Amino acid sequence: AQSVAQPEDQVNVAEGNPLTVKCTYSVSGNPYLFWYVQYPNRGLQFLLKYITGDNLVKGSYGFEAEFNKSQTSFHLKKPSALVSDSALYFCAVRDFSGNMLTFGGGTRLMVKP
Amino acid sequence: DTEVTQTPKHLVMGMTNKKSLKCEQHMGHRAMYWYKQKAKKPPELMFVYSYEKLSINESVPSRFSPECPNSSLLNLHLHALQPEDSALYLCASSQGPWETQYFGPGTRLLVL
Repeated sequence: AQSVAQPEDQVNVAEGNPLTVKCTYSVSGNPYLFWYVQYPNRGLQFLLKYITGDNLVKGSYGFEAEFNKSQTSFHLKKPSALVSDSALYFCAVRDFSGNMLTFGGGTRLMVKP
Repeated sequence: DTEVTQTPKHLVMGMTNKKSLKCEQHMGHRAMYWYKQKAKKPPELMFVYSYEKLSINESVPSRFSPECPNSSLLNLHLHALQPEDSALYLCASSQGPWETQYFGPGTRLLVL
């Protein structure tokens, strides 16, 4: 069975500082990894994905994520946080065979001015 | 264009009502999904349609009935719901099964 863990329910960061939202996964075989963001009362917006290749994946709105196979992690990062980045972030994984997408519990990011 | 639209945005219904949620995409995607999301929780998969055929039903109660009239449309028919069914219902689509999923804005359902 595959699983995703987002160990922090909430991350607080000051505007202009770098941010990291953590994600670790467990899956048989090679993982397909995704990050989504959800603003209040909205659907999920796709940010980025890792399928294969370069371990550093760049996505929308200046976000990037680093795939680390040995640590089974896929942390989301941004060099300089904006207040508008405040939202709920979900990490998700599926395995190569195409099983269902499994979401982590979500991390609320609060960026303060 | 990665837009998935959902109607209505909000829905209030009684436990004896029958209503339907609608989802539409014009990206040529061949897989469509219904998810249920409770507040501050991740989405929970309900149904998957692949090439207009129901491929996954995650043990959803029969008071929820999905329908895929064509490759662009996905409906969720609701009947005799319970208050605990109140949630945000999200539709998503992808090029093929389990490719990157693009989500609609959701329908917020309140069952009284």
